[in-house]
Amino acid sequence: EPEVTQTPSHQVTQMGQEVILRCVPISNHLYFYWYRQILGQKVEFLVSFYNNEISEKSEIFDDQFSVERPDGSNFTLKIRSTKLEDSAMYFCASSVRGEDTGELFFGEGSRLTVL
Amino acid sequence: DQQVKQNSPSLSVQEGRISILNCDYTNSMFDYFLWYKKYPAEGPTFLISISSIKDKNEDGRFTVFLNKSAKHLSLHIVPSQPGDSAVYFCAARRSQFYFGTGTSLTVIP
Repeated sequence: EPEVTQTPSHQVTQMGQEVILRCVPISNHLYFYWYRQILGQKVEFLVSFYNNEISEKSEIFDDQFSVERPDGSNFTLKIRSTKLEDSAMYFCASSVRGEDTGELFFGEGSRLTVL
Repeated sequence: DQQVKQNSPSLSVQEGRISILNCDYTNSMFDYFLWYKKYPAEGPTFLISISSIKDKNEDGRFTVFLNKSAKHLSLHIVPSQPGDSAVYFCAARRSQFYFGTGTSLTVIP
């Protein structure tokens, strides 16, 4: 069964360092997303991406964040200068939108720890 | 701005009994509602969904009910099994997906 894969599963970084989280969405999906979940809190929307551009972003997704689909298969989230409060589990998701539910298929997540 | 709310952080149910998880929302423009199940250290897994034009959708042991006038949806699991123990998130879609804070279900053998 096709699945969304994410790497790395866990990354520890120093505050101020750049981090890139990688995702390979399901191959026939058209919409891509990043969500995050701070420990004990809700799953929060960061950004959605369609047709090679950001379609929507939340207030969390400030200038320190960027997304890219560099090669038609990978979908990356970059945090330019990490802060302590960026520590969270980051989930990539993809979906096929249309007349169906367009449910999201999530990856296993990348745990980011900022020290 | 909490558009989707799950007011019960946890729920314990005996194996074989019914589990009822509740979710409230504020935005009448949502067009789909979904339930996700999440185990620790894993990503959320899609469980069941319902269109805003329906009031019930059933899939095996799982049934989702939607009450649009009350802006309320619920997930019924019957009979509950120990393997159902997980965190359940409701989500609502309007261009993007909004998630609730989750309810941790424990099914006691």
